[in-house]
Amino acid sequence: AQSVAQPEDQVNVAEGNPLTVKCTYSVSGNPYLFWYVQYPNRGLQFLLKYITGDNLVKGSYGFEAEFNKSQTSFHLKKPSALVSDSALYFCAVRDWDSSASKIIFGSGTRLSIRP
Amino acid sequence: SAVISQKPSRDICQRGTSLTIQCQVDSQVTMMFWYRQQPGQSLTLIATANQGSEATYESGFVIDKFPISRPNLTFSTLTVSNMSPEDSSIYLCSVEGSGVYEQYFGPGTRLTVT
Repeated sequence: AQSVAQPEDQVNVAEGNPLTVKCTYSVSGNPYLFWYVQYPNRGLQFLLKYITGDNLVKGSYGFEAEFNKSQTSFHLKKPSALVSDSALYFCAVRDWDSSASKIIFGSGTRLSIRP
Repeated sequence: SAVISQKPSRDICQRGTSLTIQCQVDSQVTMMFWYRQQPGQSLTLIATANQGSEATYESGFVIDKFPISRPNLTFSTLTVSNMSPEDSSIYLCSVEGSGVYEQYFGPGTRLTVT
């Protein structure tokens, strides 16, 4: 069965510092991985994905993620955090055990950027 | 990316009643998905809805409680039936983008059952 784990419930970073939000995965097929962000009282927004190709993928709002096959990780990163990055972040993986295009979400990590 | 709207955005309902949530997409899509999310928590998939066929429900969710309609390729409804306070949650619809693997989400419907 496919799954993703987000080991940190909360990450606190000072504005201007680099940030990392961790995600590890377990898949039986090819790892199709995603990051989503949810701002307060809003729906989920797609940030970026890894399907194949370069291990470093770039996404919206200056975010990037590094796919590491040996460590089965897909950490979200940003070189310089903004207060406006404060939100709930979800890592997700495509469910290959399902005939439908299901995505399985991690438990979420709340990112808090202090001024 | 698809633009998705949901109605209502929020509602407060009495226990024992039913609420139907609408999801409209600005383009034709094969599959639509309905999720439930407790505020600040992860998403749980309720069911997958294909146009012209019965919805496929996940473990723990049944059609009598969450009937779904999918009359065409741009629209779906989810009904939360015989509601109890435990049904208080955010309900989100989503679609898979055309030719891509990510899903796009509507703004959600915040339901409170009293």
